[in-house]
Amino acid sequence: AQTVTQSQPEMSVQEAETVTLSCTYDTSESDYYLFWYKQPPSRQMILVIRQEAYKQQNATENRFSVNFQKAAKSFSLKISDSQLGDAAMYFCAYRSTTSGTYKYIFGTGTRLKVLA
Amino acid sequence: SQTIHQWPATLVQPVGSPLSLECTVEGTSNPNLYWYRQAAGRGLQLLFYSVGIGQISSEVPQNLSASRPQDRQFILSSKKLLLSDSGFYLCAWSMAPNQPQHFGDGTRLSIL
Repeated sequence: AQTVTQSQPEMSVQEAETVTLSCTYDTSESDYYLFWYKQPPSRQMILVIRQEAYKQQNATENRFSVNFQKAAKSFSLKISDSQLGDAAMYFCAYRSTTSGTYKYIFGTGTRLKVLA
Repeated sequence: SQTIHQWPATLVQPVGSPLSLECTVEGTSNPNLYWYRQAAGRGLQLLFYSVGIGQISSEVPQNLSASRPQDRQFILSSKKLLLSDSGFYLCAWSMAPNQPQHFGDGTRLSIL
C-alpha cells in the first residue's frame, strides 16, 4: 500500500524568505499524481499545486514550485517570497492511476508559520 | 463550473444523539465522493468514499455510516454520537485520477 510521509510537523519562515516543505512517499507504481494542499485557519482545503509522475519537469504556480525526484520518491514544495497569508497547514497527497483505485493518500501535514 | 456545498458549518450535539451531515455537488455528474474527519491539528482520516449511487466503501469501522441516495448527494450519519466523534468533517469530490479533490468548507462537530 502507498504511504505519504511529511517529516516536518512545523516549519517557520521569515516574511519574504523562501521555505521548503518535505514530502516523501512509498509506492511500487510508475504512474501516479501528487498534490500539495493548503489549509489556512479557516480550514478550507485549497489545492496549491499538482505533479504528474510521468512528467520530468517540475510544476510551478507563481511563488509555489515543487522539486519532484521520482527515483528518490520525494516531492517537496518550495514557497518563494513568503507572505503572511501563506501561514497554514500544508498537506501532501498521492493518487494512484490504477483502475479501480479512488483513494487519495494524505500525509500528516506541516504547519507553516510566517514571521513578520 | 463545479461547486460543492456542505452543511451545517458548525454543530453542537449531545452524546447519544443522531447525526446527519449533508454534502452536495453541482455542475458535474457521477463524481467520486468522500468523507474525511480531521482531529484538531491533525491530518485527514478517510471515513467513506463512493463511486456511484448506493455504492459506499468504509475505511474505518465505527458508529458512523454514509449513504448516497442521489448521484451528487453524500450523507454522513450516526444513530448515537460518541464523544470521540468530535472533529472537523470534510466532504470532497473528484473525477479522473489526474484531477485533484475539491473540498467543501467543512463541518465543525462538537459533542457535549
